Amino acid sequence: EVQLQQSGPELVKPGASVKISCKASGYSFTGYFMNWVKQSHGKSLEWIGRINPYNGDTFYNQKFKGKATLTVDKSSSTAHMELLSLTSEDSAVYYCGRYGAAMDYWGQGTSVTVSS
Amino acid sequence: DIQMTQSPASLSVSVGETVTITCRASENIYSNLAWYQQKQGKSPQLLVYAATNLADGVPSRFSGSGSGTQYSLKINSLQSEDFGSYYCQHFWGTPWTFGGGTKLEIK
Repeated sequence: EVQLQQSGPELVKPGASVKISCKASGYSFTGYFMNWVKQSHGKSLEWIGRINPYNGDTFYNQKFKGKATLTVDKSSSTAHMELLSLTSEDSAVYYCGRYGAAMDYWGQGTSVTVSS
Repeated sequence: DIQMTQSPASLSVSVGETVTITCRASENIYSNLAWYQQKQGKSPQLLVYAATNLADGVPSRFSGSGSGTQYSLKINSLQSEDFGSYYCQHFWGTPWTFGGGTKLEIK
């Protein structure tokens, strides 16, 4: 069974960074791109970018360049997203999602709250 | 960037009725389109990929259609469990943008 298990909620101060994780199981981790999506409260979905776990190649939505950094740890089948220089605009739920002819499996989401 | 315009933004429908949600792309996306359902507090779930293909386990009352810049998701004989929000997403060129969403309420 394919599963994407994300790390728990984060409360962070403005200006700080946070790194959230997405542990994959039930499939070949290096065989599928991993995507990250942002959903601000009550709003639509924004595609942040994707990473190829096989070779680490990344592609970012221009809007999130400099804000998000995507990495993977193949040894643990885990994808990570680091969010930098956080502001209140970054408070949202962040999802990882496997790309297999669309985003066919999603993590449960990680809530990030930026507050002093 | 390709813009995805989804309509309607919301609708209230009775059980048993038929619903159609549309997504218009700002340029041809060659059927590289998916539809998702999201329930409150949950992650999105894939319904349709490549414009017309039902994802595994999706009931046959859901169907996708369209080509070029115009796409639709149709739900026949609406069930109470179909309430929630629906989103389209294109996969033609990056960024892979989503539509603004349709909130479906059951009367």
